[in-house]
Amino acid sequence: DAGVTQSPTHLIKTRGQQVTLRCSPKSGHDTVSWYQQALGQGPQFIFQYYEEEERQRGNFPDRFSGHQFPNYSSELNVNALLLGDSALYLCASSSVKGYEKLFFGSGTQLSVL
Amino acid sequence: AQSVTQLDSQVPVFEEAPVELRCNYSSSVSVYLFWYVQYPNQGLQLLLKYLSGSTLVESINGFEAEFNKSQTSFHLRKPSVHISDTAEYFCAVSGLSNFGNEKLTFGTGTRLTIIP
Repeated sequence: DAGVTQSPTHLIKTRGQQVTLRCSPKSGHDTVSWYQQALGQGPQFIFQYYEEEERQRGNFPDRFSGHQFPNYSSELNVNALLLGDSALYLCASSSVKGYEKLFFGSGTQLSVL
Repeated sequence: AQSVTQLDSQVPVFEEAPVELRCNYSSSVSVYLFWYVQYPNQGLQLLLKYLSGSTLVESINGFEAEFNKSQTSFHLRKPSVHISDTAEYFCAVSGLSNFGNEKLTFGTGTRLTIIP
């Protein structure tokens, strides 16, 4: 079992550009959550997807959007990138039946120049 | 809404010495509590959790944490640390949800450095 996989591992963009990050959940998981971890900070919840719909959302602007596909994989899109969007973006997967089984991927390090 | 405070950003400890990483939370509702560990260039790994029942919870690698409702704390302890325990430790809280996948609110983390 590959666990939660994220791609790419590193990404460099410039201000104003758009970026798409990808996540494949652990086998058997149907829920995907995204977190942003700025340098020296704890992860902050962006949003969560289940059954291809956004179920919960944190305090992030509409520039942050997402999608979940029928195979439960997910994408995080960020438009009009700002320098402050530079962070480690973590994907976590779980099953709606078992809250404690939350697995995190290794993350995508996004640098905005 | 919930919040988590980790009082120490960095904790240096000599190898084989005991350690306590402090965590306090604030919430208007009942919560679940978690400790996650993050090794360099890796994602978060669940270390231990409190959902209900016994207030003392243990991990397989010797860490333990005690839920103290009156003090709203969930401090992490280990009686004897090893070099391999060097990592960033995050305390997290979530509300209870019928949905079963409530979002996590994390503290800012404590960097544990083991000194040989």
